[in-house]
Amino acid sequence: DARVTQTPRHKVTEMGQEVTMRCQPILGHNTVFWYRQTMMQGLELLAYFRNRAPLDDSGMPKDRFSAEMPDATLATLKIQPSEPRDSAVYFCASDGGMIRQGTQYFGPGTRLLVL
Amino acid sequence: SQQGEEDPQALSIQEGENATMNCSYKTSINNLQWYRQNSGRGLVHLILIRSNEREKHSGRLRVTLDTSKKSSSLLITASRAADTASYFCATAPPGGTSYGKLTFGQGTILTVHP
Repeated sequence: DARVTQTPRHKVTEMGQEVTMRCQPILGHNTVFWYRQTMMQGLELLAYFRNRAPLDDSGMPKDRFSAEMPDATLATLKIQPSEPRDSAVYFCASDGGMIRQGTQYFGPGTRLLVL
Repeated sequence: SQQGEEDPQALSIQEGENATMNCSYKTSINNLQWYRQNSGRGLVHLILIRSNEREKHSGRLRVTLDTSKKSSSLLITASRAADTASYFCATAPPGGTSYGKLTFGQGTILTVHP
């Protein structure tokens, strides 16, 4: 049963600390998305990659956030330094390309709390 | 900004009743998708309707799309307590480099009482 995995599932950290979230997309999916979900803002697209190349990171605060795909099986999202307003659930999703017409498969999320 | 806007924001019904949620959007689309999110979980894809389709069914789900009004509706028939979740519509752009980039609405919170 192919699924997107994310680690860690929960993270509590103090303001100023670095946070790294990892995502393993479904094998063979060439597009990976990072979203952030909060009660106030809903689901926001932070960045996405296709064939490991960044296509759009306009939703991401550039000064503290960075997203990379070191290889096809790993996507990372880093926050440095973290701030209380970064507290949210961060989702990774992948899609199988045009054959699936852009259907996205979401991971379980990383619930981040910055104190 | 979110293109899709769901209506109502929250819906509370009894088991066995039908639930209807609406979604409006602003720009041209390739397709429109509906997702469900159970509390504390990731979103799960439910159904996709292409821009040249008007209606689609999947089990107890029925989706309609009116591109002239830029709106869609999701009907869940004979609801169950297990249908309690948030439901999101998402629009996919026509193509180009933005292909695959979905824009999600704010969601409708559905509560089905046993």
